[in-house]
Amino acid sequence: DAGVIQSPRHEVTEMGQEVTLRCKPISGHNSLFWYRQTMMRGLELLIYFNNNVPIDDSGMPEDRFSAKMPNASFSTLKIQPSEPRDSAVYFCASSLGGGGNYGYTFGSGTRLTVV
Amino acid sequence: DQQVKQNSPSLSVQEGRISILNCDYTNSMFDYFLWYKKYPAEGPTFLISISSIKDKNEDGRFTVFLNKSAKHLSLHIVPSQPGDSAVYFCAASAPPLYIFGTGTRLKVLA
Repeated sequence: DAGVIQSPRHEVTEMGQEVTLRCKPISGHNSLFWYRQTMMRGLELLIYFNNNVPIDDSGMPEDRFSAKMPNASFSTLKIQPSEPRDSAVYFCASSLGGGGNYGYTFGSGTRLTVV
Repeated sequence: DQQVKQNSPSLSVQEGRISILNCDYTNSMFDYFLWYKKYPAEGPTFLISISSIKDKNEDGRFTVFLNKSAKHLSLHIVPSQPGDSAVYFCAASAPPLYIFGTGTRLKVLA
């Protein structure tokens, strides 16, 4: 299994531009999570999907952020317009179910820099 | 308000010595606690977990201790090796989610 695949690995964009981050979860996993890692807040949950349906998006910082999961094998996180304070590492994770003893499998992340 | 806290952002330990990473939580309803390890440019990977009904779980050089009365858990690494240098996140299970701490950067000095 190739694990959770994220693209791109690095993204540098100018303030005001649209940014789209992509994620392919592990086949068979029914839960998908988008996290953002910053020095101040550590790993913070942005949104999670169960069976392709957004369940909790309370962590999405602003309306500039949106996420979709059109099918079980693909999800996107879009920022429009991007701002310098959005610079962070964004992780996608997937699991079969959630919580408990099993944990999530994380992708390698996308490092976003907005200049 | 953070429900899971790692108050030490960094820790340095000599190779061969014990590393102790600490984590505090506020919600007594968490059912499992997990530790993740993260190397630069990689995603976090699962390291070890403990059920809230246990007070210790051991896996090789890694042992996690849970003190429910103090709402505190710790990860012990003995002996520490240079390859253990990474950021360690503790996480608490609130199904279906995990709540993560801010991480502790461990540096093992050769």
